[in-house]
Amino acid sequence: GQNIDQPTEMTATEGAIVQINCTYQTSGFNGLFWYQQHAGEAPTFLSYNVLDGLEEKGRFSSFLSRSKGYSYLLLKELQMKDSASYLCAVRDRAQAGTALIFGKGTTLSVSS
Amino acid sequence: DTAVSQTPKYLVTQMGNDKSIKCEQNLGHDTMYWYKQDSKKFLKIMFSYNNKELIINETVPNRFSPKSPDKAHLNLHINSLELGDSAVYFCASSQGLTHYEQYFGPGTRLTVT
Repeated sequence: GQNIDQPTEMTATEGAIVQINCTYQTSGFNGLFWYQQHAGEAPTFLSYNVLDGLEEKGRFSSFLSRSKGYSYLLLKELQMKDSASYLCAVRDRAQAGTALIFGKGTTLSVSS
Repeated sequence: DTAVSQTPKYLVTQMGNDKSIKCEQNLGHDTMYWYKQDSKKFLKIMFSYNNKELIINETVPNRFSPKSPDKAHLNLHINSLELGDSAVYFCASSQGLTHYEQYFGPGTRLTVT
């Protein structure tokens, strides 16, 4: 089976840096994804890692260590609009094919 | 301009009824999905279709029946609705079985009373 763990809630202030961790266990790992979901809206794609290392995209970066079953999403220069739920998801060939298996999400609150 | 659209956005109905949710994507994608997000915001895959063929059918009651009339559409029909079916249902699509980015529709909030 699979198990994806991430913190339930995090808080931070504008301009700060926050790191959201995600650990996973899969049988046929085939990629890790981060999605952002604002309240009442659809998830939107943020990043994708399939090889170890850091992927940077503007203020957002995502890191993967396959041997440790670990990823993090790093958000820099936080803005109020970054208040949202951040979903870690994995693709596992052994289960669900190309569909995504999501963690329960981390609700990030950014205050001024 | 909407990439993945769903109708209706809200659906309120009584237990025992049958209802359908429609999904359309104009991205030219081959693969479409249905996900369910419960009250605790947990998003879980239900079905996956590729080129109108069912690829995945997770542990979902057979009251739920997806139908894909063509590659751009994946509808979800639900029979004999139960209180526990209340959730937000998201349709998504991706370019193919190996393409990584999935685009989500706006969701359909189903409330069963």
